[in-house]
Amino acid sequence: AQTVTQSQPEMSVQEAETVTLSCTYDTSESDYYLFWYKQPPSRQMILVIRQEAYKQQNATENRFSVNFQKAAKSFSLKISDSQLGDAAMYFCAYRSRGNEKLTFGTGTRLTIIP
Amino acid sequence: NAGVTQTPKFQVLKTGQSMTLQCAQDMNHEYMSWYRQDPGMGLRLIHYSVGAGITDQGEVPNGYNVSRSTTEDFPLRLLSAAPSQTSVYFCASSTGQYNQPQHFGDGTRLSIL
Repeated sequence: AQTVTQSQPEMSVQEAETVTLSCTYDTSESDYYLFWYKQPPSRQMILVIRQEAYKQQNATENRFSVNFQKAAKSFSLKISDSQLGDAAMYFCAYRSRGNEKLTFGTGTRLTIIP
Repeated sequence: NAGVTQTPKFQVLKTGQSMTLQCAQDMNHEYMSWYRQDPGMGLRLIHYSVGAGITDQGEVPNGYNVSRSTTEDFPLRLLSAAPSQTSVYFCASSTGQYNQPQHFGDGTRLSIL
């Protein structure tokens, strides 16, 4: 069974600085997708960024980028120029090809310090 | 453009009561699923459906029942509520295509006394 591990329960960063959230996963499969979801206090689950395992290029969405290391099974999220609105729980999730089921990590609570 | 709609948003039940959490999507998605979110445990899959008339169990199915009579609706039933089912419940849907993400509803906070 696949597992997703987020080893940082809480992180904090100064506004306008850069922060990296860690995620590692365990799988025996070669074709899969990885996701980062943001959950603000409103409780919504918002897709931040996604990465296909077969793509070597790291995904980027504006201030959000990932560092995908397939061999190390690592999928970290970098947030540049942190803003107050980035404060939220961040969940890393895994999905294998042909399977819609998402496996989530336990989340990292990010605090932005003004 | 409603997306995934969950009702109610909040509910308090007594132990032993039954209840149905509603989930509806207007995107014609084939795949729908229910997750529960507990502190320190992330989201865990309860049940899922790959199309009308087809359902299957996820990671934590005990105490829950689902059915999928239409593409749009995927209700989750608590047969006899227990305090261990106190949680936030999320419904999600997707096209089922590999490269498409799941869309989540806003969640239902359920407390069992």
